[in-house]
Amino acid sequence: SAVISQKPSRDICQRGTSLTIQCQVDSQVTMMFWYRQQPGQSLTLIATANQGSEATYESGFVIDKFPISRPNLTFSTLTVSNMSPEDSSIYLCSAHRRGGDEQFFGPGTRLTVL
Amino acid sequence: AQSVAQPEDQVNVAEGNPLTVKCTYSVSGNPYLFWYVQYPNRGLQFLLKYITGDNLVKGSYGFEAEFNKSQTSFHLKKPSALVSDSALYFCAVRDIHRGTYKYIFGTGTRLKVLA
Repeated sequence: SAVISQKPSRDICQRGTSLTIQCQVDSQVTMMFWYRQQPGQSLTLIATANQGSEATYESGFVIDKFPISRPNLTFSTLTVSNMSPEDSSIYLCSAHRRGGDEQFFGPGTRLTVL
Repeated sequence: AQSVAQPEDQVNVAEGNPLTVKCTYSVSGNPYLFWYVQYPNRGLQFLLKYITGDNLVKGSYGFEAEFNKSQTSFHLKKPSALVSDSALYFCAVRDIHRGTYKYIFGTGTRLKVLA
């Protein structure tokens, strides 16, 4: 398995500001993903974070709103830009190890936008 | 496109009784199926997977799942439920997307084990 940490664990932000969420994996992984989850609901994939290149975004998500970085094989960031109350959610980072089949998840970042 | 369905929003079961959380899938090709559990205010934890081989897969915390190709199902089971099993359970399928992996999650089933 892989141990994944996220910072911050939670934050309360003002409308119009931006927040960057960090995801750190304890070992090298091939793929990293960012999801959004409303409490008690299913997960929605935002994008796949690609090492050394632009992230691959899912339908409905754009780079200007959710810029993603992945400078190496163990670290990624997701920025939620120009936030509105609709962005209030839990943001989850996950990783997939080469040769493995399953994903491992971070503990999540609970974001509240006022 | 690959997809999974969890037909029950919530399942209630008495402690000590067997539990089943249902999942059906729709895939082209061989399915890669997973179960995850999420406890309150936590990330998802991997429980078990089916890739190939025996249709009965054993996983963490005494859970198992049965792959049924004819019924396109992958139900999660446990012979004797514990109160501590109360959580949100997600079924997932892996899809190949633009040459890379992508995971599709079901809507989740809330399991409540009653003492």
